[in-house]
Amino acid sequence: KAGVTQTPRYLIKTRGQQVTLSCSPISGHRSVSWYQQTPGQGLQFLFEYFSETQRNKGNFPGRFSGRQFSNSRSEMNVSTLELGDSALYLCASSATSGGGGEQFFGPGTRLTVL
Amino acid sequence: AQSVTQLDSQVPVFEEAPVELRCNYSSSVSVYLFWYVQYPNQGLQLLLKYLSGSTLVKGINGFEAEFNKSQTSFHLRKPSVHISDTAEYFCAVSRTRGGSNYKLTFGKGTLLTVNP
Repeated sequence: KAGVTQTPRYLIKTRGQQVTLSCSPISGHRSVSWYQQTPGQGLQFLFEYFSETQRNKGNFPGRFSGRQFSNSRSEMNVSTLELGDSALYLCASSATSGGGGEQFFGPGTRLTVL
Repeated sequence: AQSVTQLDSQVPVFEEAPVELRCNYSSSVSVYLFWYVQYPNQGLQLLLKYLSGSTLVKGINGFEAEFNKSQTSFHLRKPSVHISDTAEYFCAVSRTRGGSNYKLTFGKGTLLTVNP
């Protein structure tokens, strides 16, 4: 089975621009979560989708949004980029809808905002 | 809310020596516990998890962890490390039930460096 894939792997944007990141989960997985990883704040939960519905969102401003398609692929969008949005964005998929199930992480998209 | 504290940000150790990476958590509800490893330029890989049952959990690559409910700890151990174990290790928790029980709360990570 192919693992979680994320595209693109690297992105460079300038302040004020917007960006869309893509995540393809493992085949059959319906839960997709997004995390932001920075040296200062560590790994922080952004949001989770299950069957095209956002079930929960972390403590991030409204500039961060996401969606999930019927094939479980997910995108996250960041509008009006700020320097502080520079981070590694990780996507994880899970076969279960509840807690305790293993989450499989993709390699991440490294976003640099100049 | 849950929180996770990894007591050491960096742990240097010599090859074939034993290692323990410490993790303490705080939660008002019952939690599941996880250890993940992240190699450079890669995502996270699950090492092991505690859901219920035996408090000693064995994972991949020879790692094991022990859940101690009274001390709210979940320390990771390996009796003999290899150069290839050099990576960052993250302890994480999630609620066992209720809303957002799939959400992982991570510690800040421990960088394990294995020297020859």
